[in-house]
Amino acid sequence: DAMVIQNPRYQVTQFGKPVTLSCSQTLNHNVMYWYQQKSSQAPKLLFHYYDKDFNNEADTPDNFQSRRPNTSFCFLDIRSPGLGDAAMYLCATSSGVDEQFFGPGTRLTVL
Amino acid sequence: QKEVEQNSGPLSVPEGAIASLNCTYSDRGSQSFFWYRQYSGKSPELIMSIYSNGDKEDGRFTAQLNKASQYVSLLIRDSQPSDSATYLCAVKNSGYALNFGKGTSLLVTP
Repeated sequence: DAMVIQNPRYQVTQFGKPVTLSCSQTLNHNVMYWYQQKSSQAPKLLFHYYDKDFNNEADTPDNFQSRRPNTSFCFLDIRSPGLGDAAMYLCATSSGVDEQFFGPGTRLTVL
Repeated sequence: QKEVEQNSGPLSVPEGAIASLNCTYSDRGSQSFFWYRQYSGKSPELIMSIYSNGDKEDGRFTAQLNKASQYVSLLIRDSQPSDSATYLCAVKNSGYALNFGKGTSLLVTP
């Protein structure tokens, strides 16, 4: 089945220790997104790629970076995680003109 | 600021009843509208999309769109306890990004 896969599903890191979250898709979609979702809040878009074109949301902290080495994979790097970065990180894909499909998410805990 | 507003709930309905979830949006230029279901601790799951005024039905779900009133709703017929979740309304303006509401928590009681 075509799908969006995120690894790991759960990530525990220490304050200030860099962490990388990964996302892969078999849908062959052009657009990949990274969202941050905290408890009882709406998903907040961090950035998205249309193919290799990177689009950063204006209020995304510099601490968050992303890479998309090819169509199938996208990575979220958090350079120095703070306690406030503990959240669910959601990867989504779309063909660009239609619905977005989400992966299962990565739950990040910062100690 | 482009807003998507939802009542946070919880909305409680008895099993077998119709659940009605509502969403308003501020950007008149919005073109595409989506409803996602999100169970606690899980990721959002797309359940309906709607692009033109009127009703769109899919099984027990009906999405309704009124662009003049900037209003989109989701009806769930014959509600089941398994429908208990948070329902997110999402609106696509220009570009590729979705603007999400905070969600309405639905509780279906047996």
